[in-house]
Amino acid sequence: QKEVEQNSGPLSVPEGAIASLNCTYSDRGSQSFFWYRQYSGKSPELIMSIYSNGDKEDGRFTAQLNKASQYVSLLIRDSQPSDSATYLCAVNFYGNNRLAFGKGNQVVVIP
Amino acid sequence: EAGVTQFPSHSVIEKGQTVTLRCDPISGHDNLYWYRRVMGKEIKFLLHFVKESKQDESGMPNNRFLAERTGGTYSTLKVQPAELEDSGVYFCASSQVMSGASTDTQYFGPGTRLTVL
Repeated sequence: QKEVEQNSGPLSVPEGAIASLNCTYSDRGSQSFFWYRQYSGKSPELIMSIYSNGDKEDGRFTAQLNKASQYVSLLIRDSQPSDSATYLCAVNFYGNNRLAFGKGNQVVVIP
Repeated sequence: EAGVTQFPSHSVIEKGQTVTLRCDPISGHDNLYWYRRVMGKEIKFLLHFVKESKQDESGMPNNRFLAERTGGTYSTLKVQPAELEDSGVYFCASSQVMSGASTDTQYFGPGTRLTVL
């Protein structure tokens, strides 16, 4: 079982719509959860971090964490063409600082 | 404030050769990490420095990989001799030590794309 899993395949959404990304993780003891955005050829850029169950909102982004079900999601509201990128889910497991990543979801916002 | 920088951005070498990648973390960041992404796979952890000490090197694939961080500033990752399966993008990340925090935010560099022919 992979440590962090994201649904494969690109996600195409029309401009102004909501993009929804999901991520599941294997270690129930995981402490910290991150969403990174990566444009092609660029560095992964942190856009959201979440540590407690529930929702966390930052601008057009909302992260949702459910530790009982071991999933974390990211919603992008009012999607813009500039949101077109690969979104990486990363999890920090208890007891160490390393991040475990999912393979990423490519999001394409269609004008 | 300058971000994490990596050099070179691209490297193409032949199997059996040696390559050295460099990472300059954000100034003042004690934690430095190396990660790697091979084609079609997820980003994988390689190792973690706290200042000049190796905190965790559980992700290093084999003894052909040698990481150093002399003086606790920049770090190098040497691959010797390189094999075909070493091809991929090597990312460096850095973070501050936050007292009392269980984790801290890792800031990534742009990566070095290594191609072994």
